[in-house]
Amino acid sequence: KQEVTQIPAALSVPEGENLVLNCSFTDSAIYNLQWFRQDPGKGLTSLLLIQSSQREQTSGRLNASLDKSSGRSTLYIAASQPGDSATYLCAVRTVEYGNKLVFGAGTILRVKS
Amino acid sequence: KAGVTQTPRYLIKTRGQQVTLSCSPISGHRSVSWYQQTPGQGLQFLFEYFSETQRNKGNFPGRFSGRQFSNSRSEMNVSTLELGDSALYLCASSLVTEMAYTFGSGTRLTVV
Repeated sequence: KQEVTQIPAALSVPEGENLVLNCSFTDSAIYNLQWFRQDPGKGLTSLLLIQSSQREQTSGRLNASLDKSSGRSTLYIAASQPGDSATYLCAVRTVEYGNKLVFGAGTILRVKS
Repeated sequence: KAGVTQTPRYLIKTRGQQVTLSCSPISGHRSVSWYQQTPGQGLQFLFEYFSETQRNKGNFPGRFSGRQFSNSRSEMNVSTLELGDSALYLCASSLVTEMAYTFGSGTRLTVV
């Protein structure tokens, strides 16, 4: 059974800091891994998608890496801003479960101005 | 292009009633999935439809059902509502398995 864990559960940083969010998964047989952002009471916004054959993806100040063999992914946010405050979720699409996404519990990020 | 559209945005229902939620995927997307999000359980998979066929189902009771129409629009139905069904219900669509999922804004269901 695929399990996804995100560390830390919450993070508070001053504006301008670089930060790393961690995601680990137990079953390395994945199609891909997707990072999402969720603002309070809202839906999910896709940030980055990494295919199982890829090592990293970048979009603006965001960089996500994937180490499939060790079951780990990190989301790096450079020069954080108050507008980055949100819950960040990682989700894996596992071969065993087809198109079902298995989510971590998320990291609540607060960037203080 | 238009994103994933879910209606209604908010619903308040009484225990024992039934409810139907609607999801219109991104044009051309044939895979539609539903998820339930609660503070205690996080995001949990309900079911996935592809070309009007249910391909995968999560671990939810039979009170939760869904369907997909020929235009890829999907509905989910919850019968005999319980207080524990209060949640944010999210719909997501994808072009193919290798592509990213795009989520809608969700329907907030409150059962009183």
